[in-house]
Amino acid sequence: KQEVTQIPAALSVPEGENLVLNCSFTDSAIYNLQWFRQDPGKGLTSLLLIQSSQREQTSGRLNASLDKSSGRSTLYIAASQPGDSATYLCAVINTNAGKSTFGDGTTLTVKP
Amino acid sequence: ETGVTQSPTHLIKTRGQQVTLRCSSQSGHNTVSWYQQALGQGPQFIFQYYREEENGRGNFPPRFSGLQFPNYSSELNVNALELDDSALYLCASSLGSNAPQYFGPGTRLTVT
Repeated sequence: KQEVTQIPAALSVPEGENLVLNCSFTDSAIYNLQWFRQDPGKGLTSLLLIQSSQREQTSGRLNASLDKSSGRSTLYIAASQPGDSATYLCAVINTNAGKSTFGDGTTLTVKP
Repeated sequence: ETGVTQSPTHLIKTRGQQVTLRCSSQSGHNTVSWYQQALGQGPQFIFQYYREEENGRGNFPPRFSGLQFPNYSSELNVNALELDDSALYLCASSLGSNAPQYFGPGTRLTVT
């Protein structure tokens, strides 16, 4: 059974700081890994998707990496802004099921 | 291109009642997945439909059932509602079972 863990559960940083969010998973037989952002009470917005054959993906100030052998992914946010404040979730899709398993998220607060 | 939409936005039901939630897929997407998200937790996979057939199911009882229609819109039905069913219900559409998922804004269900 796939288990996904995100550490830390909450993070507070001053504006402008670079930061890293962590995601670990127990079963390396994944098809892809997707990072999402969720604002309070809202749906999920896709940020980045990494295929199992890829090592990283970049979009603007965001960079996500994937290390299947160690069961880890990181989301790097450069020059954080107050508008980045949200909960960040990672989800893995296993090759044999087509279902996504989510972590419980990291709630980020960026202080002006 | 129309994104994923869900209706209703909010719903209040009494324990023991039945509820139907609706989801319209993003244009061209043939796969819909449903998730339940309790407060402070990551989404939990309920089931997935691919071209009108159930294509995977999470650890939810049979009183959670679904349908996908020829236009790829979908319904989630929950019978015999329990207090623990109170949650945000999210649907996500994709082009295939392992493709990137795009989420709707969710339906907030409260069971009293």
